[in-house]
Amino acid sequence: AQSVTQPDIHITVSEGASLELRCNYSYGATPYLFWYVQSPGQGLQLLLKYFSGDTLVQGIKGFEAEFKRSQSSFNLRKPSVHWSDAAEYFCAVGASGGGADGLTFGKGTHLIIQP
Amino acid sequence: EPEVTQTPSHQVTQMGQEVILRCVPISNHLYFYWYRQILGQKVEFLVSFYNNEISEKSEIFDDQFSVERPDGSNFTLKIRSTKLEDSAMYFCASSQEGQGNEKLFFGSGTQLSVL
Repeated sequence: AQSVTQPDIHITVSEGASLELRCNYSYGATPYLFWYVQSPGQGLQLLLKYFSGDTLVQGIKGFEAEFKRSQSSFNLRKPSVHWSDAAEYFCAVGASGGGADGLTFGKGTHLIIQP
Repeated sequence: EPEVTQTPSHQVTQMGQEVILRCVPISNHLYFYWYRQILGQKVEFLVSFYNNEISEKSEIFDDQFSVERPDGSNFTLKIRSTKLEDSAMYFCASSQEGQGNEKLFFGSGTQLSVL
């Protein structure tokens, strides 16, 4: 069965500093990988996704993530965080795209931005 | 950008009561989903719905749960006899045909509290 691990429950970063949120997955085949962000009172918004090809994917809001098959990781990065980036971040893995298969989410990482 | 709309944003109910959570997916979408997130835990897939029938469901989605698309715009989740452990944030999502979990649009959720 597929699974996702986000080892950091909380991360605190100073505004303007760089950010890396960790995600490790377990999946039998080539996974489809996603990062979602949830701001307070909001739904889940897709930041970026990886299906195939270039292992470094660019997303919205200046985020990027790198797929490393050898480490079963898909870490999210941003070179300089803004106060508005404070939110809950979820990594997810899914079966090959299309169809109705559900996503498997990690427990999330709560990002706190210090002024 | 089009949105998935969920109502109500908060629902409080007594144990054993029936609740109906409502969702209006994006109008040209054909795949519909329910996910839930128990406080402090991961977002979990409940069910997917396509062509007026359930496509996939998780172990969580037992006989107490049902989904329905009563008209051309609404997608509902019914819990027949709520239990304390049903307290969670419930997210509705939708996607276009052929994309499935590739591009899910999530609503902002309904917080269900069972007393």
